[in-house]
Amino acid sequence: EVQLVESGGGLVKPGGSLRLSCVTSGLNFKNSYMSWVRQAPGKGLEWVGRIRSESEGGATYYAAPVRGRFSISRDDSENTQYLQMNSLKTDDTAVYYCVGGVNFWGQGTLVTVSS
Amino acid sequence: SYELTQPPSVSVSPGQTARITCSGDALPEKYAYWYQQRSGQAPILVIYEDTKRPSGIPERFSGSSSGTMATLTISGAQVEDTADYYCYSTDSSNEGVFGGGTRLTVL
Repeated sequence: EVQLVESGGGLVKPGGSLRLSCVTSGLNFKNSYMSWVRQAPGKGLEWVGRIRSESEGGATYYAAPVRGRFSISRDDSENTQYLQMNSLKTDDTAVYYCVGGVNFWGQGTLVTVSS
Repeated sequence: SYELTQPPSVSVSPGQTARITCSGDALPEKYAYWYQQRSGQAPILVIYEDTKRPSGIPERFSGSSSGTMATLTISGAQVEDTADYYCYSTDSSNEGVFGGGTRLTVL
């Protein structure tokens, strides 16, 4: 059974930083591209970014609203993906989902940016 | 920036066919994916690469794509299919994008 478990969410002030982790099991992690998707309260899904597998070069891609502030990385030895979020804004308040490939989703972790 | 456009809502009676559309200029070259999200839950993939159905997804779910429009069809919709549905694709720069979502009510 494939499992993705996010952690690291919480309350942070505007301008602050937070790092989310996504630990996976049962997934062919090192050969999977991994993504982050977020959902603001009462809103739709928003793609945040993606990281290719190391065998595909490990390139990263980001949505325009987070480019330059967020950074995705991976540790294949730990089957873990990370999302480093800097210069956080109130608009970044959302549930953040970790996604493996296109099919496997975690249950999400809530990030609240508020003073 | 690239956008995928979906109708905000679709309503059908149980047993009827529900169709949800997704339009985007890059869809002739890029695959469409469809996700179902029930209230308070994580999304579930119901269609991938335009027409393929993951294992465990009922056969009443099907997908098609023609030109700049992809369509999710639920034949013989059931009350438990009531949910939000999102299409997903990528643009020419490999950036992902979701449609705005369609609330399907089967009642």
